[in-house]
Amino acid sequence: EPEVTQTPSHQVTQMGQEVILRCVPISNHLYFYWYRQILGQKVEFLVSFYNNEISEKSEIFDDQFSVERPDGSNFTLKIRSTKLEDSAMYFCASRPGTAGAYGYTFGSGTRLTVV
Amino acid sequence: GNSVTQMEGPVTLSEEAFLTINCTYTATGYPSLFWYVQYPGEGLQLLLKATKADDKGSNKGFEATYRKETTSFHLEKGSVQVSDSAVYFCALSQEIWGAGTKLIIKP
Repeated sequence: EPEVTQTPSHQVTQMGQEVILRCVPISNHLYFYWYRQILGQKVEFLVSFYNNEISEKSEIFDDQFSVERPDGSNFTLKIRSTKLEDSAMYFCASRPGTAGAYGYTFGSGTRLTVV
Repeated sequence: GNSVTQMEGPVTLSEEAFLTINCTYTATGYPSLFWYVQYPGEGLQLLLKATKADDKGSNKGFEATYRKETTSFHLEKGSVQVSDSAVYFCALSQEIWGAGTKLIIKP
């Protein structure tokens, strides 16, 4: 079964550094997402991406964050100047079709630890 | 605005008990509704979904019916197993997620 692949599985970074979290969505999917989950808490939507641009973003997704699909397969989340409170699991997801009809396939997540 | 409210956990049941996890929503229009499951130490998986009123989603013995009149999408299972222990999230479209309900099944 096709999978969404995320790398690395765990990233430790110093406060103030930049990190790039990588995702390879399922190849025929058109919509891509990033979510985060602070340990033991709810899943929070960050951003959705379609047709090479951001389609929706949450209040969390401020100027510190950016997304890119640089080569048609990877989908990256960049976090600039990381803060302690950015420590969380970051999940990438993708889906093939039009709004609402399909659930998402999630990657297994990247655990980001900011120290 | 749109929102999802789930029953607070943890919910602790004995094996073979009947499960209900309540989920109610507030929405404009007719969004799709989803249940996701997160097993201990793992990522998120779609459990089931419903795209319109009166639709019933089902998977792995779990069911949920999209009820417009009560704005609910309660998750049910007739006989739970220890392996069902996980956190269950109700979601409305891709942006609005419930807080999650931890389910603990004791043998």
